[in-house]
Amino acid sequence: NAGVTQTPKFQVLKTGQSMTLQCAQDMNHNSMYWYRQDPGMGLRLIYYSASEGTTDKGEVPNGYNVSRLNKREFSLRLESAAPSQTSVYFCASSAQGAGNTEAFFGQGTRLTVV
Amino acid sequence: RKEVEQDPGPFNVPEGATVAFNCTYSNSASQSFFWYRQDCRKEPKLLMSVYSSGNEDGRFTAQLNRASQYISLLIRDSKLSDSATYLCVVIGQAGTALIFGKGTTLSVSS
Repeated sequence: NAGVTQTPKFQVLKTGQSMTLQCAQDMNHNSMYWYRQDPGMGLRLIYYSASEGTTDKGEVPNGYNVSRLNKREFSLRLESAAPSQTSVYFCASSAQGAGNTEAFFGQGTRLTVV
Repeated sequence: RKEVEQDPGPFNVPEGATVAFNCTYSNSASQSFFWYRQDCRKEPKLLMSVYSSGNEDGRFTAQLNRASQYISLLIRDSKLSDSATYLCVVIGQAGTALIFGKGTTLSVSS
């Protein structure tokens, strides 16, 4: 049972390069999320998708785009990477609508922009 | 005011101690509450949900106070393995995202 799978696990980019972080879940969850985690800042929401076909901005969406390709996959794209985007990125998914629903996280992508 | 606030700590306690963490939230319409645990450089994992009536899971007890808009986590008889960061999580309403506090770091020593 894979749960939430993120790729890649590590990445180094040069300033201005683009890349897409991939996320897939096999739990038939409706909701999916992208967070970034920086020291002393906790997890901050970048974008989320409450259901297939919908996406919404979170707390820190600038510099990112997302695609909810289908129910399983939710990708995060950096069009022109900046050093400020150096962070650990987590994808998560949860069942929609019901209270007290658990969110499951991928193992994270450690991104360094130089 | 941040949506979810926690004392970052660190809380340094000896084995066997009882330790409590609090978390406040700003949105009075928030519906669901959780405590997650995160080990160093790992992904967060659900520790326990928090119910209005309070709930207990072994050495862990969670409480919700809607009137004062805070939730708490009590850990009794602390173990070395309890050393981690504890994240308070709030869901505003169905279909909205999980909002995390910055986390409280606990270090249990022998």
